[in-house]
Amino acid sequence: NAGVTQTPKFQVLKTGQSMTLQCAQDMNHNSMYWYRQDPGMGLRLIYYSASEGTTDKGEVPNGYNVSRLNKREFSLRLESAAPSQTSVYFCASSRVGTQYFGPGTRLLVL
Amino acid sequence: DQQVKQNSPSLSVQEGRISILNCDYTNSMFDYFLWYKKYPAEGPTFLISISSIKDKNEDGRFTVFLNKSAKHLSLHIVPSQPGDSAVYFCAATLQGGSEKLVFGKGTKLTVNP
Repeated sequence: NAGVTQTPKFQVLKTGQSMTLQCAQDMNHNSMYWYRQDPGMGLRLIYYSASEGTTDKGEVPNGYNVSRLNKREFSLRLESAAPSQTSVYFCASSRVGTQYFGPGTRLLVL
Repeated sequence: DQQVKQNSPSLSVQEGRISILNCDYTNSMFDYFLWYKKYPAEGPTFLISISSIKDKNEDGRFTVFLNKSAKHLSLHIVPSQPGDSAVYFCAATLQGGSEKLVFGKGTKLTVNP
């Protein structure tokens, strides 16, 4: 039982490049989330998915897209990366109000 | 507009003493509160939670207190250990809703040996 896994662990992009952050959970949770964490800002919700086939915007969705591929997987895509998207990205899944987080992806956009 | 506030960015305590981390919220509709612990280079891990129908919940060395009238909760760690050094996030949600959490900005706890 791996919980929530994220790939890659670390990525460097140039401005304008695109990439997809992958997330998978094996806990059979319906809800999944993407957050970014920046110094002094706490965790801010980018997008979430209450169930397979549904997605909704969070607090900071601009510049991102998501796909809930199936119940297990929820990906986050940056179509044209900007330096302001340099951050640590966390994926989470939840059951009965408690969210469980992955180890994070550290993204640097130059 | 921050709905969940952790006004102390950092806290330093001696090993063996009590650590008290505070959190305030503004949305009276929140009815479930959680504390997460985060070590560097790791994801946050769930620590303890409390429903709005309770005013206290205890789990080993960790106790969360909720004062609904003041819209305030606190996490007590007794006794504090060096391994408790981490960033602690307070979070709130609406039960029966989308399960979205609203997080505070975190408090960095340092427990000195």
